[in-house]
Amino acid sequence: EAQVTQNPRYLITVTGKKLTVTCSQNMNHEYMSWYRQDPGLGLRQIYYSMNVEVTDKGDVPEGYKVSRKEKRNFPLILESPSPNQTSLYFCASSLSAEFGNTIYFGEGSWLTVV
Amino acid sequence: QQPVQSPQAVILREGEDAVINCSSSKALYSVHWYRQKHGEAPVFLMILLKGGEQKGHEKISASFNEKKQQSSLYLTASQLSYSGTYFCGTEGVGYNFNKFYFGSGTKLNVKP
Repeated sequence: EAQVTQNPRYLITVTGKKLTVTCSQNMNHEYMSWYRQDPGLGLRQIYYSMNVEVTDKGDVPEGYKVSRKEKRNFPLILESPSPNQTSLYFCASSLSAEFGNTIYFGEGSWLTVV
Repeated sequence: QQPVQSPQAVILREGEDAVINCSSSKALYSVHWYRQKHGEAPVFLMILLKGGEQKGHEKISASFNEKKQQSSLYLTASQLSYSGTYFCGTEGVGYNFNKFYFGSGTKLNVKP
C-alpha cells in the first residue's frame, strides 16, 4: 500500500529538548516536504527536498532542520524546541516538483512544547 | 505567494450547493484541491493544469481560470460526508519555483 509514515504521532516535550520526527515513503517519490498546520493559517511549508542530499527552505524554516540521506526518508529535526513550535506537522511526498503531481500526506504528528 | 481562499467558512443543509474560491496574486500554472477532516491528513481531490480546465469528481467539480489567476471548487447537492476543510494549493513561481503554497482553508459544515 502506497503510504507516507511519520512518527511519533503524538508528542509532548519540554523547551530545549532536541527531538526528531521521522518520515518515510514507499512510493519512490523524489519530492518530499514538511508542513506545519496552525489554526487559521492553513498548511505552511517548512522545508522541502527535491531528491537525495538536495534540501531547501520553505516559508517557515526557522528552528527546524532536515536531512535527506536516503530517498525514502526525510526526518524533521527540532534542535531546541520552543512553545511556538507547538503545532500539527505533516510530512508529504510527490513524484517530483513538476506541476500537477499529487501530494500524499502522512497522518500527522501532534507536537506540544511546554 | 499563499493563495487566498473565500469564504473562510460555509454552513449548508444537505442537498445545498456551495462554491469555494481560490485566487492568487501570482501566475497560476496549476491548482490543487484537497479536503481535510478534523485531525486527519489532507486528501487529494483533483488537480487542474490548464487554463480553462474543468474537472469533476462525483458531485464535486472545479474550474481554473488562468487569466484571472483563480480557481473555484463546486460542491453540488452536498452530503454530510462533504464536511471538512478544503484547501487549494499551488506551486510557487519565479525564485519560489520549487516551493508549494496552500491557502488558509475553507471550513465546510453540512448539516442534516
